[in-house]
Amino acid sequence: AQSVTQLDSQVPVFEEAPVELRCNYSSSVSVYLFWYVQYPNQGLQLLLKYLSGSTLVKGINGFEAEFNKSQTSFHLRKPSVHISDTAEYFCAVRVQGGSEKLVFGKGTKLTVNP
Amino acid sequence: DAGVIQSPRHEVTEMGQEVTLRCKPISGHDYLFWYRQTMMRGLELLIYFNNNVPIDDSGMPEDRFSAKMPNASFSTLKIQPSEPRDSAVYFCASSPDSLYEQYFGPGTRLTVT
Repeated sequence: AQSVTQLDSQVPVFEEAPVELRCNYSSSVSVYLFWYVQYPNQGLQLLLKYLSGSTLVKGINGFEAEFNKSQTSFHLRKPSVHISDTAEYFCAVRVQGGSEKLVFGKGTKLTVNP
Repeated sequence: DAGVIQSPRHEVTEMGQEVTLRCKPISGHDYLFWYRQTMMRGLELLIYFNNNVPIDDSGMPEDRFSAKMPNASFSTLKIQPSEPRDSAVYFCASSPDSLYEQYFGPGTRLTVT
């Protein structure tokens, strides 16, 4: 079975600082990888996804993530954060060629301070 | 498009009562997913449908939970009888394709007292 570990439950940063949110996954087969963002009292919204091809994936709002198969990681990065990036971020994994089921990590709460 | 619509947005009920959560997916989306979000367990998939047919209900916690999708534009998640440990935010999501993103509704916050 697949699993996702988000190593940091909370990440506080100052505005305009860079940020990296870490995600590691466990799977015996090839996977697709996703990052979703959840703003307070809202549903989740897709930031970016890795299906195949280039391991560096660019998403919305200036976020990007790099798939590292050898380290089974899919860390999310942004070079300069804004107050409006304050939200909870979820990494998710899905097996290739199998169920459409997404397995989510526990989430990382990013707080951007002025 | 209005996005995924869920109702009610908030539900407070007493233990033992029946609770019905409703979801209207985005028109044209063939997949519908029900999730539960709690502080302790995070976001868990309960069940998903493809073309109105339940595909995987392995996440449904117990027989008190049931889900239906009578047509392409409507789904329900029912809990009978409800218990305090069912308190959570329940999300519905839909997707046009198995590899496409899932579009989430705003969620229903359920409190069982």
